[in-house]
Formats: sequence, structure tokens, C-alpha cells
Amino acid sequence: EPEVTQTPSHQVTQMGQEVILRCVPISNHLYFYWYRQILGQKVEFLVSFYNNEISEKSEIFDDQFSVERPDGSNFTLKIRSTKLEDSAMYFCAIGTELLSGNTIYFGEGSWLTVV
Amino acid sequence: QKEVEQDPGPLSVPEGAIVSLNCTYSNSAFQYFMWYRQYSRKGPELLMYTYSSGNKEDGRFTAQVDKSSKYISLFIRDSQPSDSATYLCAMSAAGNKLTFGGGTRVLVKP
Repeated sequence: EPEVTQTPSHQVTQMGQEVILRCVPISNHLYFYWYRQILGQKVEFLVSFYNNEISEKSEIFDDQFSVERPDGSNFTLKIRSTKLEDSAMYFCAIGTELLSGNTIYFGEGSWLTVV
Repeated sequence: QKEVEQDPGPLSVPEGAIVSLNCTYSNSAFQYFMWYRQYSRKGPELLMYTYSSGNKEDGRFTAQVDKSSKYISLFIRDSQPSDSATYLCAMSAAGNKLTFGGGTRVLVKP
């Protein structure tokens, strides 16, 4: 099973601050995703990223959010001007094949608390 | 109607029993079906993947998909206390975006 390392594991931030969550897949992959899980709720899709561009995004992924892969290895999720309701666990996921959908693996998550 | 529905539980079983989990869904476009296990404050761990209808077995785990009924199941045989976790079903139409159920919390008592 591919490994995905996420940093930080937990971050507390003031409302209105910018946050960057990072994901480092151990091996090379082409497909990257961000999901989030608000405490006690479902895991929700945010965005998928393929070939260095966004391939799909959900309604949650508004202008407050952005993703990039700046150096070809790290995959980042930036949240500008955080809100209280952004408090959640954010999961990076990687996929080995886009169309089959059978191998999507999740990282351990970054727990974001906005105060 | 929710796109994917899953009984939240908790489901409590004695050690060694069979755990039976299921999800129903409304989107007939879903073709790829997955089961994940999630421990508290951890990432989902992929357990089983099934494409379209049919059964798949892997060790103590059996996944079943009935597309005609829009119903999927996961069975865990010889359950162990270490199987205590939340089990998430997830599905996808084209393999890109996963839609999750809310998860069923399972407790296996020694």
C-alpha cells in the first residue's frame, strides 16, 4: 500500500489566518486528492489534481482554497482566511489509476482547529 | 434522499462472530465500491475494492455488490477486538471522486 505523509498532524490557527497543509507521497503518483472530515461527519471530497492541474472540485472548494504541487513532490492545500467552520481533519489521498478508481489511499490526516 | 446511506451503529458483537455491514445508494452511475476502516482520528484504510456487481473475498473479509438493489455489503468473519473501528463505504462513478457513507461504528467485545 502506498504511503502518504501529511504535515502538520495538528495545527491550531486563529480565524482569518492562512494555513498550508502538506502531503508527501512516498512513491510517484499522478493523481492527488484532498478530502475533509468535520468531527462526527462524513468524509467529503474537496478536489482532485491530475497532471499538475485541478481535474474536479466540489462546492466546498471555493476561492478560499487552492492546491498546488510546487516542487513535483509536495502537494499542498492552502486555506486563505480560515473560518471556524474550516475546523476539520483534512486528508490527502493518492490514486494510481484515474479511471479504475480502485486504488485511492489516504494519509493519516492533518487536524485543523480554527479558534 | 442521501446519496449514500449507512447505519451509524454502534454494532456490538462478541469476538469470533461475523460482522455484517451494508450501505445503500441512490446514484445508479456508481460502478466502483470500496470499504475503508477508520480508527479514531486516523485516515481511512482501504480494505476492499469491488467493480460493478459481484462478490470479492480477501482473507476474513467478503465484499458484495448488488447493483440492481443499489446495496453493498461487507462481512468480517472471525471478528477480533482489533477489528473495532468505524467502517466506511465509499463509491465512485468514474473513479475520480469518492462519495462516502457516514460510517458504521463496530465494537468487537472479547
